[in-house]
Amino acid sequence: DAGITQSPRYKITETGRQVTLMCHQTWSHSYMFWYRQDLGHGLRLIYYSAAADITDKGEVPDGYVVSRSKTENFPLTLESATRSQTSVYFCASFRGLGPNTEAFFGQGTRLTVV
Amino acid sequence: DAKTTQPPSMDCAEGRAANLPCNHSTISGNEYVYWYRQIHSQGPQYIIHGLKNNETNEMASLIITEDRKSSTLILPHATLRDTAVYYCIVRTSGSSNTGKLIFGQGTTLQVKP
Repeated sequence: DAGITQSPRYKITETGRQVTLMCHQTWSHSYMFWYRQDLGHGLRLIYYSAAADITDKGEVPDGYVVSRSKTENFPLTLESATRSQTSVYFCASFRGLGPNTEAFFGQGTRLTVV
Repeated sequence: DAKTTQPPSMDCAEGRAANLPCNHSTISGNEYVYWYRQIHSQGPQYIIHGLKNNETNEMASLIITEDRKSSTLILPHATLRDTAVYYCIVRTSGSSNTGKLIFGQGTTLQVKP
């Protein structure tokens, strides 16, 4: 099915572990984004990517790593998970650069770090 | 980046129009106003966007003031399923021109029977 999908939907990991959240979109959209959402903070931008092999930091990038080897995939890696990274993570994609395009969001990954 | 200000919460009776205001007094001439909503921890859902003219689609209407410093999202006949957090966002067009979406706190709309 066309769309943007995230996996896993739920993940529990231990402090210090490396964990990767996956995001896949079938539209070949250029722009992809990772957000985290915590109670009281709304959605905050972690990283974004304008195209394959082009990534940049958002508002809260510390502790995260991203890559974009293929246009359709934009994995987010927590290199050494901490409890403060317990959150709901959303991936999004945009069709293009201009401000006249809407974003499509995935269903989210609920990550718990214990 | 142009910032937005929204009331934290609003109530609306089912079947009535819901009018959600947003202030964006520092908006630039080439920045669009976007509205998204988020229903109970689902991914945000696009509703509508506009530059300076009023816009309407199957979900809602967007009224932007002539000076573009504020806008109103109108849900013409609110239903219980419209209960959600509504985000008004100005699409950035800074030097990096990435078109990032920066979310604020939004307005929690409670539609009541």
